Amino acid sequence: QVQLVESGGGVVQPGGSLRLSCAGSNFTFGNLYIHWVRQAPGKGLQWVSAIHFDRSLQYYTDSAKGRFTISRDNSENTVYLQMNSLRPDDTALYYCAKEEPGSGGFDYWGQGTLVTVSA
Amino acid sequence: QSALTQPASVSGSPGQSITISCTGTSSDIGGNNLVSWYQQHPGKVPKLIIYGVTTRPSGVSDRFSASKSGDTASLTISGLQTEDEADYYCTSYRHSSSPSYVFGTGTKVTVL
Repeated sequence: QVQLVESGGGVVQPGGSLRLSCAGSNFTFGNLYIHWVRQAPGKGLQWVSAIHFDRSLQYYTDSAKGRFTISRDNSENTVYLQMNSLRPDDTALYYCAKEEPGSGGFDYWGQGTLVTVSA
Repeated sequence: QSALTQPASVSGSPGQSITISCTGTSSDIGGNNLVSWYQQHPGKVPKLIIYGVTTRPSGVSDRFSASKSGDTASLTISGLQTEDEADYYCTSYRHSSSPSYVFGTGTKVTVL
């Protein structure tokens, strides 16, 4: 079955960096978007970034622009989120999700990886 | 980027129907059909229950239905059941010079 597995979360000081990974399996990575969505403790869902796997088109929420970079490795079926200049309000559970092509719906999600930004 | 607006909470008795609204703008909900809804139980991963404004993925109960009018999307849960108690989020593609997606503020559904 389709699987997405995130890794790379942890505790980091303000101003620090982390690289999250999202490894996918049992589906074709070609013509689709992979998204990062985060959820701060006790809060709602927030879309963070997306990448088109074939065309490498990249999109970001305003608060991520200039600090986060999304990329992909076609050979490894993996999407990365490089997060720099981290702030306490970046603390959240970060999910990656696969979009059903052309639908806008995120049909498969990973279990999430927790990022904590604290001194 | 401002979130879509949902009521904080909606409640109903078993068997009743409830409707959750999701209000955006002409740049998001009113301007495309990439509107989706998610159900999230506490401590669980969000689950897609509606995409493309009205389409249910395979395996999702037909008690869930959705629609859109202008800048507002709506999710209706019919024949409310205890397992429907969860948080619900809408989301939409938002077109601009820098395309993005935006989630709603979330609605807590309580089954009385």
